[in-house]
Order: sequence, then structure tokens, then C-alpha cells
Amino acid sequence: NAGVTQTPKFRVLKTGQSMTLLCAQDMNHEYMYWYRQDPGMGLRLIHYSVGEGTTAKGEVPDGYNVSRLKKQNFLLGLESAAPSQTSVYFCASSPGTSGQETQYFGPGTRLLVL
Amino acid sequence: AQKITQTQPGMFVQEKEAVTLDCTYDTSDPSYGLFWYKQPSSGEMIFLIYQGSYDQQNATEGRYSLNFQKARKSANLVISASQLGDSAMYFCAMRELNTGGFKTIFGAGTRLFVKA
Repeated sequence: NAGVTQTPKFRVLKTGQSMTLLCAQDMNHEYMYWYRQDPGMGLRLIHYSVGEGTTAKGEVPDGYNVSRLKKQNFLLGLESAAPSQTSVYFCASSPGTSGQETQYFGPGTRLLVL
Repeated sequence: AQKITQTQPGMFVQEKEAVTLDCTYDTSDPSYGLFWYKQPSSGEMIFLIYQGSYDQQNATEGRYSLNFQKARKSANLVISASQLGDSAMYFCAMRELNTGGFKTIFGAGTRLFVKA
């Protein structure tokens, strides 16, 4: 099993460009999450999904959109990138059968917006 | 509202000694779970330990234990017999089970330095 994978690993964007980050999991997990990690601020939840076709806002959703068309994939979109979105983005998934399960994290995507 | 606070940006500990990393939380949901994760310099997130709000005993996993004080709303991580490989960022996280929709939020983290 690959677990949780993220594509790409690193990306440089210019202000105003758009891009999509792909998260894929092969564990048949119901729940998926997108976080951003910034120095001194830990991981902040952007959006999450409790099942195929459903999404919900987290702590810092502005400037991002997400889609969960397939259970195994969770896409994070930036329509018009801003320097403030320079960060490391982590995707995570969890089974969703009880609250005790840990999340499984992807390796992260480093995004630099110039 | 759901909130996690880690007040120690950085901690130093001598190798082989024990260290406590602080975590306080705020929630109005009586049913919640608390997690600790380790993030080494390589960047991956490693699950360490879990404590449920209704668990009667403090959780333990090898050298990791969780000092759970429900009335104080604290869930401190205790690492015994520190090793050089324990040098990393440590994050406390909380999941509300009734009202949170299983979303999980994290604290700002504590960077632990283990000295030889």
C-alpha cells in the first residue's frame, strides 16, 4: 500500500496563477483533510471531507476550493495564488468509523508563490 | 469553540532524562479525542498516542505517556528516557466527536531538542 500520496512534491507559482494539488489514498478511508503548515502556527485545517461528494470548511478556507469526486482522491485548488499561500500543504485521511483513529498523512507539498 | 494551545515553542532535555510537553485544550463537546504527533526534520507526521475523553486511565505507548487532566483540560505528553532521535516538532491535536464532524485541529507545536 502506498498510503497517502501527494502530487506534486514542490511547486513554484507566480501571483495570480492557479493550480491543483492532488491527494490520493489507497486505504479506503472515508475522511480526508487538507492542512497548511506555517512556521509557528502548526497545522491549520483548510477543508475536509467526510465522504465522497461531500466537503466542509475548516479553519482557513478562504482562497481555496476542494473536491471529492472519488473516494480515494481529494483535490485542493488555488484559483488565484497569493504570496500568503506560500506554505507546506499536508493531506491526511482517516477511516471515519470512530473518533479514535489517527490520521494518516501524506509527505507534504511545498508551495512557493512569488 | 475548538482550540488547542501549546505554550512551549522550544524545549531542551538531556539525553536519557524525561521531558513533559504541555498541551491545553478548550471544547464544549463532552466527547473528544486527543492526539500527539511527532514531526522530525524529514517532515513526515508520525502518530504517537491517543487519549479519549472518557478513558479512565492515562494512555501509554512505549516511552510515551499522556498525562490527562480532564478538569484542567490538559493533555501533556511525557517522553521518558529521551533519545537523540526524539529531537523533532511535537504537535497536540483534538477531535470533537459530537459537534466537530470528526475534524481535527492542531496546536502550534513544540520543538524538542535532545542534548547528548
